[in-house]
Formats: sequence, structure tokens, C-alpha cells
Amino acid sequence: GQQVMQIPQYQHVQEGEDFTTYCNSSTTLSNIQWYKQRPGGHPVFLIQLVKSGEVKKQKRLTFQFGEAKKNSSLHITATQTTDVGTYFCEVNAGKSTFGDGTTLTVKP
Amino acid sequence: GAGVSQTPSNKVTEKGKYVELRCDPISGHTALYWYRQSLGQGPEFLIYFQGTGAADDSGLPNDRFFAVRPEGSVSTLKIQRTERGDSAVYLCASSLGTGSNSPLHFGNGTRLTVT
Repeated sequence: GQQVMQIPQYQHVQEGEDFTTYCNSSTTLSNIQWYKQRPGGHPVFLIQLVKSGEVKKQKRLTFQFGEAKKNSSLHITATQTTDVGTYFCEVNAGKSTFGDGTTLTVKP
Repeated sequence: GAGVSQTPSNKVTEKGKYVELRCDPISGHTALYWYRQSLGQGPEFLIYFQGTGAADDSGLPNDRFFAVRPEGSVSTLKIQRTERGDSAVYLCASSLGTGSNSPLHFGNGTRLTVT
């Protein structure tokens, strides 16, 4: 079945440093979604990417969909303590599949 | 309320007992999903409803798990003869439309502990 791999599993940064998480699929995707889950919370939708090579920005967050539509990345510029949490990618090729997430911790 | 509501928020049960978990989706959302999330992992798909019917139940781990959505709104996830391995957070999500184009709106989950 559909699988998505996310790397790294954990990332610890100093406040102000950048952060990137990657999501890779073995198959071509029609679209990909990104979610953020704060500690003790539930996943919250961030963005959907649909087009090959698409880049979308939300303030300090930049989302990219690969040209082959098999991978995606989320980049945070100048992290803040409010960015802590686990970031998940989700694909839905007939069945919703989440990656195992990248957990970001930020040291003030 | 405006969001997805799940009850109870916590449930502790003994091994072998039966439990029901409830999800009240956002009004007007036709799609409803159940997931199970264990510590350190992403949500694991269980079942997806479109309206009243289960469009995809391929994620249910075995026949002890069953879910219904009789009127196309509230859904109940039922687990029979619970096992310790069923302990997890059960998440419900709803979305406006079908397929992969509608973002998921999650509830706060039910934390199930089987002792």
C-alpha cells in the first residue's frame, strides 16, 4: 500500500535557526497535505500542495512539492518557540496515509 | 460548537470489555474519518465514511472493531473484547467533500487505556 517516509524523526534547534522536514513517497502523488500537532493536541491542517514544483508560503513557513510529485518539504525560517510540535505530511491515494512526523523542539 | 467533538476525552477499561467512542463532526461535513494514533507515530487510518456508508474500512485491524454513522452525522467507533494493544488515542476527523481535496478537521481525540 501507499507509504510515506518522513525525515528526520526529531529535530532540535536553537531559537532563530531554520528547520526543514522532508516527506518522500515511492509513488507519484496527486496532492499532499501538511499538518501540525502541538504536544497534547490534535493535528491541524496547514496547507495542501497540488501542482508539480509548487511552492507556497505562510509567513515563515515554505512548502514545496517536488517536480516528480513524489516528495515534499516544509521549511521554517528563524524558528520560534511557538513552532514546537510534530509536523506530519498526509497523502490520500484512495486511502488517507500519514507519515510518522518530524518532532521539532526549540531551545529559547 | 464549531469544531469536531469527541467523547469521552479519556476512557479506561479492563481487558475484554466493550467500548464505544463517539464523534460529532462539523455540521455539513459529509466525510468522516477515524484514525488511531500511538505515541511517536502518525495517525493510522481506520475507516472513512461518505454520508452514512463506510466508503473504506480497510484500516480496521480486525473484526473486533466496527463503526457506524446511521444518519450521516454522528459516528460511533465500537471495540469489542478490548486488548491492551488497543490502547491509543482515537482521532476523528471530518471534511467537506470527498477524496483528497478537502482538508481534514480533527477532534481532540479519545485516549483509550486498556488495563
